[in-house]
Amino acid sequence: DVKVTQSSRYLVKRTGEKVFLECVQDMDHENMFWYRQDPGLGLRLIYFSYDVKMKEKGDIPEGYSVSREKKERFSLILESASTNQTSMYLCASPHSGQGRETQYFGPGTRLLVL
Amino acid sequence: AQSVAQPEDQVNVAEGNPLTVKCTYSVSGNPYLFWYVQYPNRGLQFLLKYITGDNLVKGSYGFEAEFNKSQTSFHLKKPSALVSDSALYFCAVRLNSGYSTLTFGKGTMLLVSP
Repeated sequence: DVKVTQSSRYLVKRTGEKVFLECVQDMDHENMFWYRQDPGLGLRLIYFSYDVKMKEKGDIPEGYSVSREKKERFSLILESASTNQTSMYLCASPHSGQGRETQYFGPGTRLLVL
Repeated sequence: AQSVAQPEDQVNVAEGNPLTVKCTYSVSGNPYLFWYVQYPNRGLQFLLKYITGDNLVKGSYGFEAEFNKSQTSFHLKKPSALVSDSALYFCAVRLNSGYSTLTFGKGTMLLVSP
């Protein structure tokens, strides 16, 4: 089974802080995704990456950046956290080969920005 | 552009009764369709998917979904609901060609009463 882990389940940060959210997958997958989940809005794609050092903007990239220095790790960065970035952040990675269309999710990081 | 609509914010059903969670989609081509479930404070878990072939797809935990191309729908169903099925359900769509990103619906909360 695909295993996707996220470094923190809960985070509390102050406005203006730089925040790093880490995601690791253990299956040598090329593709990784970051979403945020908000009530009534579902999941919205922030950034994704097809390979090391590659990144693509999703639907709501403003206020975020990403880093993919190693294949297994995809980091989401909030350069200067704001209260409207309080949310649940979910990382996902699909299978390789057959079944690659299915994304598998980490447990999520619930971020509170004060 | 692709989109997903989940017209019900919440579905209430009594244990033992059949349940349906509705999903309609819009995509410019043939779709891949997915259902995910989220339990409280957890990431999303994959339930089932339609890629091609039979319109009736069977998935985890006794759930199934029917792909209806003419109605552009992919409703989630279960013949007999359990209290433990209470969770947030997300429908998602993407194009089945090349690599495109997933678009999620806003989610439907399913509440199964004893």
